[in-house]
Amino acid sequence: DSGVTQTPKHLITATGQRVTLRCSPRSGDLSVYWYQQSLDQGLQFLIQYYNGEERAKGNILERFSAQQFPDLHSELNLSSLELGDSALYFCASSVEGGRETQYFGPGTRLLVL
Amino acid sequence: AQKITQTQPGMFVQEKEAVTLDCTYDTSDPSYGLFWYKQPSSGEMIFLIYQGSYDQQNATEGRYSLNFQKARKSANLVISASQLGDSAMYFCAMREEYTGNQFYFGTGTSLTVIP
Repeated sequence: DSGVTQTPKHLITATGQRVTLRCSPRSGDLSVYWYQQSLDQGLQFLIQYYNGEERAKGNILERFSAQQFPDLHSELNLSSLELGDSALYFCASSVEGGRETQYFGPGTRLLVL
Repeated sequence: AQKITQTQPGMFVQEKEAVTLDCTYDTSDPSYGLFWYKQPSSGEMIFLIYQGSYDQQNATEGRYSLNFQKARKSANLVISASQLGDSAMYFCAMREEYTGNQFYFGTGTSLTVIP
């Protein structure tokens, strides 16, 4: 157990809908990362937050948004969902957000029908 | 051009032997980091090792070491004394630290350890 929790574990929804994925980092970790893993695109970095502020942005679509709250948990919002958004979404956390070990959550598997 | 290239889609290794998984990268950023991750069939993602572009020594973590050849832009993962539990997908990634801190991942190498 990495200490990073993600909810829900599985999510099935329809095209056009909006969902929110939640991540709680390890105790003491200030940085949260979001990744998407799909058959089409492979592993992609979406976004990183550090202590509530956006630190780095990757291939995150405009339909997606994220934030990190004062208690350091993070949410990834996916809207106007398309079939191609079906993927495994990982959250990871690290102490500061640079070179140190990242600890991954178990992922949320999203299926868009 | 691909930022990260992993040319070995699948690899086999005998238990207790060492194996090298290849990774080459492409960047003009002077400061970058290189990462390796393991993904067993259960699906979880495990961070293995990190190498900074300015690090003088090759990174090591237990049975994992990173063979960093900066001039060749390669960052190969070496797993010594392979175990059955090492069977997994392995991903190489790079982070460009001057130009936005974006991560780039390779397509992965599937490693199978044979008893």
